[in-house]
Amino acid sequence: DIQMTQSPSSLSASVGDRVTITCRASQYISHSLAWYQQKPGKAPNLLLHDASTLESGVPSRFSGSGFGTEHTLTISSLQPEDFATYYCQQYYNTPYTFGQGTKLEIK
Amino acid sequence: QVQLQESGPGQVKPSETLSLTCTVSGASIRSFYWSWIRQSPEKGLEWIGYFHSSGTTIYNPSLNNRVTISKDMSKNQFSLNLSSVTAADTAVYYCARNELGISEYWGPGTLVTVSS
Repeated sequence: DIQMTQSPSSLSASVGDRVTITCRASQYISHSLAWYQQKPGKAPNLLLHDASTLESGVPSRFSGSGFGTEHTLTISSLQPEDFATYYCQQYYNTPYTFGQGTKLEIK
Repeated sequence: QVQLQESGPGQVKPSETLSLTCTVSGASIRSFYWSWIRQSPEKGLEWIGYFHSSGTTIYNPSLNNRVTISKDMSKNQFSLNLSSVTAADTAVYYCARNELGISEYWGPGTLVTVSS
């Protein structure tokens, strides 16, 4: 299985900050990576796929980059509604696998 | 608007079979791929498997052949059976629509607790 490792596991930031979350794959995954946002008690919500393609309706302050084994999610200017947990997921091979999550908290 | 809704018992006894159903509206399960995913504090998000109406079904090998995903086209539903459950199978179970491995639409999830 491809292991996905996110860093950091948690992050404290303020409204307006720029934050970056990293996701590393244990082997090559090309750009077959998705990012999800999850709020407490809710299902994950797809933000980006193919490493950098923003889903319809997702604010442009979210962006993704990367290829191969290292990928990043950046939020350019945090808004109050962005405080949540973020997950990466590879779909290069089955079984599809997720990172352990990055919890973004208000400083 | 695609909507999915999981249903089934909230508690299952150890060694028994966990059975859940996902009811889909706004899309036909005759198209796309349809998955089950679960989430627990211990294991995080774990992909269980998917099916496609063409007959393709793939399961996560980590579940040691305990999983079966079936479908009822007439009701636009698909189901999950997980046999020989233990406490480690306690989780929130989600059904989702997949496109090339990407879970675009999710149900709200249902908590299943394995306990006697």
